Amino acid sequence: ETGVTQSPTHLIKTRGQQVTLRCSSQSGHNTVSWYQQALGQGPQFIFQYYREEENGRGNFPPRFSGLQFPNYSSELNVNALELDDSALYLCASSLKGGSPYEQYFGPGTRLTVT
Amino acid sequence: TQLLEQSPQFLSIQEGENLTVYCNSSSVFSSLQWYRQEPGEGPVLLVTVVTGGEVKKLKRLTFQFGDARKDSSLHITAAQTGDTGLYLCAGAWGGATNKLIFGTGTLLAVQP
Repeated sequence: ETGVTQSPTHLIKTRGQQVTLRCSSQSGHNTVSWYQQALGQGPQFIFQYYREEENGRGNFPPRFSGLQFPNYSSELNVNALELDDSALYLCASSLKGGSPYEQYFGPGTRLTVT
Repeated sequence: TQLLEQSPQFLSIQEGENLTVYCNSSSVFSSLQWYRQEPGEGPVLLVTVVTGGEVKKLKRLTFQFGDARKDSSLHITAAQTGDTGLYLCAGAWGGATNKLIFGTGTLLAVQP
């Protein structure tokens, strides 16, 4: 148990729709990162939020956006869904400045786009 | 371009055998982590290595960080069926955005 929770567990959407995924960070962690994991591959970094602001972004288009709230919960929003967006979406919480730097992952949300 | 290459990609062994998984990069990392992931679940942190040449042991698992902090290995002694899963290495560079760069993964199946 990492103390990081995500909802929903599974989601099926149609191409062109929008989706919101949610994450609740581990208590005391002020940073949340989102990753996309395609089947059979390692997770790919989408972006990171610290103190409610984006703190770094991977190679993902602007239709991937996020929010972090004062209670450190966060959302990942994806607009104009494409078939290739089908993946496991993982959030990970961490403590900025922690040494060594470690991230703790939630169970993920499995998104299927049809 | 994949920054972290893992080998082998797939490994199927019998219970009781030993195995080693390798994680290689041309980049220097401030720390490197190993995770194990089961189907439909998030990665679970096994260990973090920080110092070049560092060796850490977790029961039957031995982790080593290369002297130059560019590579790492995971050795499992006397594998058990419960060791089955996807093993991922992930490097951190530090800095303002301390994102993790994940390896390609090694899928391990331990047969009874």
